[in-house]
Amino acid sequence: AQSVTQLDSQVPVFEEAPVELRCNYSSSVSVYLFWYVQYPNQGLQLLLKYLSGSTLVKGINGFEAEFNKSQTSFHLRKPSVHISDTAEYFCAVSDRRGTSYDKVIFGPGTSLSVIP
Amino acid sequence: GAGVSQSPSNKVTEKGKDVELRCDPISGHTALYWYRQRLGQGLEFLIYFQGNSAPDKSGLPSDRFSAERTGESVSTLTIQRTQQEDSAVYLCASSYGQGAVEAFFGQGTRLTVV
Repeated sequence: AQSVTQLDSQVPVFEEAPVELRCNYSSSVSVYLFWYVQYPNQGLQLLLKYLSGSTLVKGINGFEAEFNKSQTSFHLRKPSVHISDTAEYFCAVSDRRGTSYDKVIFGPGTSLSVIP
Repeated sequence: GAGVSQSPSNKVTEKGKDVELRCDPISGHTALYWYRQRLGQGLEFLIYFQGNSAPDKSGLPSDRFSAERTGESVSTLTIQRTQQEDSAVYLCASSYGQGAVEAFFGQGTRLTVV
């Protein structure tokens, strides 16, 4: 993978509203795709991942993401956000090279702020 | 261990001193990564180990930064002659060598250079 772009650095959204966090990547090969979440003052944890198969991936806490190969995108969505979803969200990509793999490249992050 | 362990969790050092940060990956994980996260910013890739070799060290910001890994186990990131701009959280992650490549992160070492 060459790069990961997260166009929105900050996304404020009202509680119970839907949200979409955008992620685009560039790569000349097939990829694995991930979304990680970092809650305030905590480490990163995996939210969901796309390895193969269905392009719609469901993760923890009601989040889902859709892999779109033609648009090289992996946008994260949640139909109704909660205050506890306030966090930093990182999109990540790793090249798929048969039985080996390349390093994981992270996007710059999107700060989601849920407003009561 | 059950997860990726980093030590120390916090380190305050004087400018010009050397520091050593340690990472214990999950047992059996052949890949190990170091990232730097400055306050309010994203993850900056530093170096990637596959086993004890480093096929990609392109992210090390200067020759003051070095890292090594013993076998497929502990890694140390050394910063020599620390500068104030080195202040950041240094994150270590490990992943299994083949197939699903989810990276598991440690809690990080918060380095403050005064």
